[in-house]
Amino acid sequence: DAKTTQPTSMDCAEGRAANLPCNHSTISGNEYVYWYRQIHSQGPQYIIHGLKNNETNEMASLIITEDRKSSTLILPHATLRDTAVYYCIVPPLNNNDMRFGAGTRLTVKP
Amino acid sequence: NAGVTQTPKFQVLKTGQSMTLQCAQDMNHEYMSWYRQDPGMGLRLIHYSVGAGITDQGEVPNGYNVSRSTTEDFPLRLLSAAPSQTSVYFCASSYSASSNQPQHFGDGTRLSIL
Repeated sequence: DAKTTQPTSMDCAEGRAANLPCNHSTISGNEYVYWYRQIHSQGPQYIIHGLKNNETNEMASLIITEDRKSSTLILPHATLRDTAVYYCIVPPLNNNDMRFGAGTRLTVKP
Repeated sequence: NAGVTQTPKFQVLKTGQSMTLQCAQDMNHEYMSWYRQDPGMGLRLIHYSVGAGITDQGEVPNGYNVSRSTTEDFPLRLLSAAPSQTSVYFCASSYSASSNQPQHFGDGTRLSIL
């Protein structure tokens, strides 16, 4: 299973872009990169996922490097409500087990 | 727009008691799963189901039973509660077991075993 590494915490100013990095150097060719977030006491919320190409939806953009060993989640205009723990996950192909690690605690400041 | 609904939201049990955590989804998803979340441990998979009538064990299945008689419901049973089962339990579902299908989570059941 591919292991992911994320910074423990990050700060971002309200209205600015938040760029959250993730390393997944052991990812295999068919494994997807997923991003979720968890706001205190709530269930994990799906944000975005991708395989090789960059992806964008109404919440965020996902940039995956060409060698697929790392990725960056971009929240284009962070708000105070984006304060949460963000998880980068590479589930195994055989059972889709979402093994959340410690994640990155993002604090958006006014 | 219910998504994944878990009940109850909070529960306190005494050691040795049994109970069932309910999970229902209204998205016609085939894949459903149960996780527990403990401080410093991340999410750990308890049991999962790829469709009605099919269940399988995850990483930490001991002490828990599941069944999947309908597509919509996936209850988790604690047979004889132990303090080590104090945790936050999340149910999730996705369209299929394919790794290209994101899982959607409920808001959790916070369970304390005294």
